[in-house]
Parts: sequence; C-alpha cells; structure tokens
Amino acid sequence: DQQVKQNSPSLSVQEGRISILNCDYTNSMFDYFLWYKKYPAEGPTFLISISSIKDKNEDGRFTVFLNKSAKHLSLHIVPSQPGDSAVYFCAASALGNKLVFGAGTILRVKS
Amino acid sequence: ETGVTQTPRHLVMGMTNKKSLKCEQHLGHNAMYWYKQSAKKPLELMFVYNFKEQTENNSVPSRFSPECPNSSHLFLHLHTLQPEDSALYLCASSQDKRGGTGELFFGEGSRLTVL
Repeated sequence: DQQVKQNSPSLSVQEGRISILNCDYTNSMFDYFLWYKKYPAEGPTFLISISSIKDKNEDGRFTVFLNKSAKHLSLHIVPSQPGDSAVYFCAASALGNKLVFGAGTILRVKS
Repeated sequence: ETGVTQTPRHLVMGMTNKKSLKCEQHLGHNAMYWYKQSAKKPLELMFVYNFKEQTENNSVPSRFSPECPNSSHLFLHLHTLQPEDSALYLCASSQDKRGGTGELFFGEGSRLTVL
C-alpha cells in the first residue's frame, strides 16, 4: 500500500501560468515533506521541503503548501517556465526515518 | 566533479550474466542508498548503508547483492536477474545526524535492461 500518492501521472501547463502538483499521504506520523525534481537522464535533485510545523514554505517561484488535516501537500510553480518540464517526486519521512517517495508527476510546460 | 557518480550509465545483460553497478560519492556523507525506479512506480528503497554498515534491506531478492567497502563507495552486484528487474537504479548519499536523515543527493542512475 503506497503511503505517498501522486494521483496525477502528468500535467500540462502553458508557460507563464501556474503549475500545481499534488501529493497525498496516509501516514499521520510523517513530519517532513520534500519535493524532488528529475530531468531525463539525470538523478532527482532536491527542490523544496516543509516541516509539519509549517503550512507553507516559499522559495522563489516555488511554494509548497501542507494541509495536515487533509494529509495533502501541493507544490505551486508560478510563473511556469519551459525549463520546469520534468518529473516531480513528492517524498515524506517520519521522525527522521527514511524517505518514502511517490510515483512522480510529469510536468510539461508549453511555450 | 559531480557529487554522486554512477557507472555504467546503461547496462544490458542476459538473465545468466553477472554484472555490477558502481556508485561513488564525493560529498563526505556517511550514508549511501540504492533505489529502484520502475516506470510509473514510486522510487523503491532497496538498501541503506550507514558508516559502511547495512542498516536496511527492504526485502530485496538475493539476486541483488550490495557491497559497501568504505563510506564513499557502494556497489550493487547483479546475478541471474529477471526481465522485470529492468529499471533505473539510483544511488544516493546523505549526511545523517542524530535524529534524522539528511537531504538525499542522487546520482544520475544506471539504466538496466535484462533480456
């Protein structure tokens, strides 16, 4: 049973608009959440994270929102750029234990 | 020099072959990992090594055999694999501290095809 779910396999967005990637989790012990970005032929790279004591973390064009009651987090990218086209993985950990990843969402930003 | 390097980048092998994947990290980290990425599936953690000691084995079949000779090098020995083992194998490292796992740094992956 997947503890971290990314229900949208892919997302297509026009350049300049907002991209919203969603992630749901089932383990209420998760207290740290991360987003990784992966280009083809490269390994995933860390993008942004959020601790469960916060509900929002912002870094430039990237903002992660956490809704603990709904066990849901989202990554907002605004404005979206063609270079943002990649696979985005949501990941979570509980009490410093190993990361659990979602299946990823392919984002395509059209120019 | 990149932080985590993996070789080979691509490998094609028959089911009776023996091959190895190699990973080297230049970040001074104390933990190294093997992950498997299959199409449309989550990244699956296979093995974890902290200070060269294996601390986690996620029910991985014995046809996958890890080796960690030192904190900078990690190998994955492959023997009598099945076609369903074809996937991208990712190595990662982190600096683990008391109370938690540090951020993971991934290599570029080794794309394995089993015929």
